[in-house]
Amino acid sequence: DAGVTQSPTHLIKTRGQQVTLRCSPKSGHDTVSWYQQALGQGPQFIFQYYEEEERQRGNFPDRFSGHQFPNYSSELNVNALLLGDSALYLCASSSGGHGGELFFGEGSRLTVL
Amino acid sequence: KQEVTQIPAALSVPEGENLVLNCSFTDSAIYNLQWFRQDPGKGLTSLLLIQSSQREQTSGRLNASLDKSSGRSTLYIAASQPGDSATYLCAVATNAGKSTFGDGTTLTVKP
Repeated sequence: DAGVTQSPTHLIKTRGQQVTLRCSPKSGHDTVSWYQQALGQGPQFIFQYYEEEERQRGNFPDRFSGHQFPNYSSELNVNALLLGDSALYLCASSSGGHGGELFFGEGSRLTVL
Repeated sequence: KQEVTQIPAALSVPEGENLVLNCSFTDSAIYNLQWFRQDPGKGLTSLLLIQSSQREQTSGRLNASLDKSSGRSTLYIAASQPGDSATYLCAVATNAGKSTFGDGTTLTVKP
């Protein structure tokens, strides 16, 4: 049973560029949430996707956008990258679109130079 | 706005000790509380999930308790081992699915 998978694991971008991160949820899960984790801090909620719609959003600017596909996989897009966007981006899957148990992937480490 | 605090930020204990990690939250209207473990540079591994109607959950040497009225949860680790060294995070979830995390407690268990 595959767990949550994320790609790429590491990437380096320069300021102003755009990045796309990908996530496949755990088998049987239909809800994907994205989190940003800065070094030494807890994860911060970006948004949640359920039934291909953004259901909830945290305090992040519109430069952060996402998408969920019919197979429940998801993408996180960040435009006009800033140095402060450097972080570990974590994808969590759950079931049913509400506050169920979260299962996380290994994350995508983004470095913005 | 929900705020989650974890104290202490770091803890060092000798192998074999029993220990307690603390998590407090400001809004008691939670759906569940989940404890995670995170190794350096890695993702989060779920340890225990406590639903809002429950008082505690146990898994092996781990026991987590929840007191919604006081906005507190504890994670008890029995007979600690060097392999328990990691950062432990708690997260409280709303019924809509948004989880708020604390900044974690970094545990070091010395052989």
